[in-house]
Amino acid sequence: KNQVEQSPQSLIILEGKNCTLQCNYTVSPFSNLRWYKQDTGRGPVSLTIMTFSENTKSNRRYTATLDADTKQSSLHITASQLSDSASYICVVSARDSNYQLIWGAGTKLIIKP
Amino acid sequence: DGGITQSPKYLFRKEGQNVTLSCEQNLNHDAMYWYRQDPGQGLRLIYYSQIVNDFQKGDIAEGYSVSREKKESFPLTVTSAQKNPTAFYLCATRGAAESSYEQYFGPGTRLTVT
Repeated sequence: KNQVEQSPQSLIILEGKNCTLQCNYTVSPFSNLRWYKQDTGRGPVSLTIMTFSENTKSNRRYTATLDADTKQSSLHITASQLSDSASYICVVSARDSNYQLIWGAGTKLIIKP
Repeated sequence: DGGITQSPKYLFRKEGQNVTLSCEQNLNHDAMYWYRQDPGQGLRLIYYSQIVNDFQKGDIAEGYSVSREKKESFPLTVTSAQKNPTAFYLCATRGAAESSYEQYFGPGTRLTVT
């Protein structure tokens, strides 16, 4: 069964600190993996998308990694800011599907001043 | 949120009533999607439409209905047959030219049924 699992479920860190969020998946055949940021009560916004051949991609203070062999991805946030408080969702797309995405439950990140 | 509008932001209904959630887009995207989001769970696909006058059931279509009479509009009706309709509903679009199948989301509608 295609699944995406994220950890931790929630995380609280102090402003300015770094953090890493994890995503494990069992989707096959794999097409791509995305990380979305979702502010409370808003729609998700894409941060990065990674294909099979990519193992690192950065977007400002966000760096995503992908290990297609172990089927794991991480999202590293550097020098966190209060505006980083949100849910971060890992989403994996199977190659034989052109519409359906398998969504993780998300990690709720809280940045404290 | 871009060019995707969902209205209203908050919606309250009595149990047993049908309710229609609006989704409008000006991105000229062909594909449109409806998702449901519950606390602690990933988004679940309700219905999707690849082209006008065509739509397909997603994973949790029971108790919901849609129409796609115009490219810009994809309304979702939550019927009284939906057992647990209280949730956050998200509409998304995807353009045909998007090789990565990027989806863009509206701001969402929070439906509360009592």
